[in-house]
Parts: sequence; C-alpha cells; structure tokens
Amino acid sequence: AQKVTQAQTEISVVEKEDVTLDCVYETRDTTYYLFWYKQPPSGELVFLIRRNSFDEQNEISGRYSWNFQKSTSSFNFTITASQVVDSAVYFCALNGGTSYGKLTFGQGTILTVHP
Amino acid sequence: EADIYQTPRYLVIGTGKKITLECSQTMGHDKMYWYQQDPGMELHLIHYSYGVNSTEKGDLSSESTVSRIRTEHFPLTLESARPSHTSQYLCASSEYGGFETQYFGPGTRLLVL
Repeated sequence: AQKVTQAQTEISVVEKEDVTLDCVYETRDTTYYLFWYKQPPSGELVFLIRRNSFDEQNEISGRYSWNFQKSTSSFNFTITASQVVDSAVYFCALNGGTSYGKLTFGQGTILTVHP
Repeated sequence: EADIYQTPRYLVIGTGKKITLECSQTMGHDKMYWYQQDPGMELHLIHYSYGVNSTEKGDLSSESTVSRIRTEHFPLTLESARPSHTSQYLCASSEYGGFETQYFGPGTRLLVL
C-alpha cells in the first residue's frame, strides 16, 4: 500500500518570506516517482515536478526548489521569496511501480501569501 | 502545456437528472483518469482507462460510469444525480508507461440540488 502525508494543512506567510511544504511518503516499491502539483483558485491541477526514486539530487527551478531524501522518505518543496501568486493548494503525489500508473495524493497544503 | 479540456466548467442540476461530463485531450495519450475532489481537498481516483475500450474502477467507489470509444474522449456519466454527487471532477491523461506524468484538465464543479 502507498501513502502520502502532507502534515501541514494550512500555511500562511507574508510576501517575500521563504516557505517549505513538507511531504512524507510510504511505499514498498523500490522504483517509484514523486510529483508536486499546484492547484490555484481556478481549480485545475498544474504539474510542477516529477522525480524518480534513483535521483536524489535537489532541484531548483527559479524560486522553487525540491529536496528529496530517501533516508527519511521525504520530498519537500520550498518557495523562496514567496509572492501573492503562489497562493494555492499544493499536492504531493506518489506513483509506485506496482500501482500501474495510478497516483496516490497527499491531503494537500493550502498556502496563503499575504501582501 | 497540456491540452486537455473539460466541459462544462460549472453545472447546477436538480436531483434525478442524467448528466455527462466531457473530457477530451489532443495529446494522443493512451491513459486517461477521472478524479473526484471533496470540498476538503482530497483527490480520489474513481475511473481510469488504459486505451480504447478499456475502463477500470478506481480506488473510490462511484455511481458514475465511463466509456472510452475514442482515444481522445473519456466522458463520465451519472444516470441519476444526487446531492451526494456534489463535488469537483477532474480529468487527467498521460502517455502509456508506468510512471508518466498525469496532466489535468480545468475541472467541472458539479452542484446537485
């Protein structure tokens, strides 16, 4: 069985603060992929990143960065110098080798960035 | 940029009505999915398809049905809508493979009175 836990239900920050969204996962698969999606108020899920279980290098894309640590089964997401447009719900998701492409989503974290 | 479309975006309908939520993608993806999203945000897979004439039920039991007659089209039907069906429905697609990225449509917000 797979499980993804996003312990932070809601986070509120002021613009320009850095913020980290936590994601912890459980799987028995040795090969798996992790994802982050953003859901703005308009409702669609926007793909942010896909990471495989064999690549533990951190990744940076503009103000976004991701820290993948297999030892702690975590795949955390950091937004540097947050902006009001970053306000959204963020989902972490897992696709294990035995799930045949199906995603297991975390509960989501509501991020509110105040001006 | 994902090219996946859902109509209608918003639907308010009375109890007992039959409804069909449309989902189309122009990327030639073999796999398609339907998710139901509670007001509490959790996403639940209700249906998926690996290709034409292939449909499977997802992890969350649903009274809806789906069909996949064409690669690009994956409609979801509720024969008799009830207030408990009020939710957001999100369609997604991906290339065939074990770990491909799923790309999502804009969603349909359904309110059953």
